[in-house]
Amino acid sequence: DSGVTQTPKHLITATGQRVTLRCSPRSGDLSVYWYQQSLDQGLQFLIHYYNGEERAKGNILERFSAQQFPDLHSELNLSSLELGDSALYFCASSVESGLSLEAFFGQGTRLTVV
Amino acid sequence: AQSVAQPEDQVNVAEGNPLTVKCTYSVSGNPYLFWYVQYPNRGLQFLLKYITGDNLVKGSYGFEAEFNKSQTSFHLKKPSALVSDSALYFCAVRVTPGNTGKLIFGQGTTLQVKP
Repeated sequence: DSGVTQTPKHLITATGQRVTLRCSPRSGDLSVYWYQQSLDQGLQFLIHYYNGEERAKGNILERFSAQQFPDLHSELNLSSLELGDSALYFCASSVESGLSLEAFFGQGTRLTVV
Repeated sequence: AQSVAQPEDQVNVAEGNPLTVKCTYSVSGNPYLFWYVQYPNRGLQFLLKYITGDNLVKGSYGFEAEFNKSQTSFHLKKPSALVSDSALYFCAVRVTPGNTGKLIFGQGTTLQVKP
């Protein structure tokens, strides 16, 4: 168990809908990262938050947005969903102190858009 | 641009034999390198990292990796493979410099260990 919790584990929704994925980082970790894993694109970085502040954005679609709350949990919002958004979405957290730079991943949310 | 390549889609090895999963990288500064393993329907599990220091780093479950700066490689190794090591392995590089620790992943290598 990595200590990173993602909910829900599975989500099935229709095209055009909006969903929210939730992530609770490991205790003490200020950084939260979101990644998308799909068969054709592999593992792609979406966005990074550090202590509530957006630090970096990857190839994240404008239909997608995220935020990190004061209690450090994060949410990834996906709207106007398309079939191609079906993927495994991972959250990872990291303490990023000294040499402790590794990220710990949650078990992911499998999103299926039908 | 920083990138990671895993040249083999799949590696097959017999149980008890040594295994190597290859990774090469391209970075603009000092590389921070990581290996992760993904079992079916699971998240990525951290195996080991190279940040600085000894070129041979040891990690979880008996895995180790050798950092080679001249060859820009970070191959994952294990002296004796187990059937339970069968999984998808990812090499990743942390983007530097900057104030983000986002990772760039290789495409993954499926390791199949046969009894």
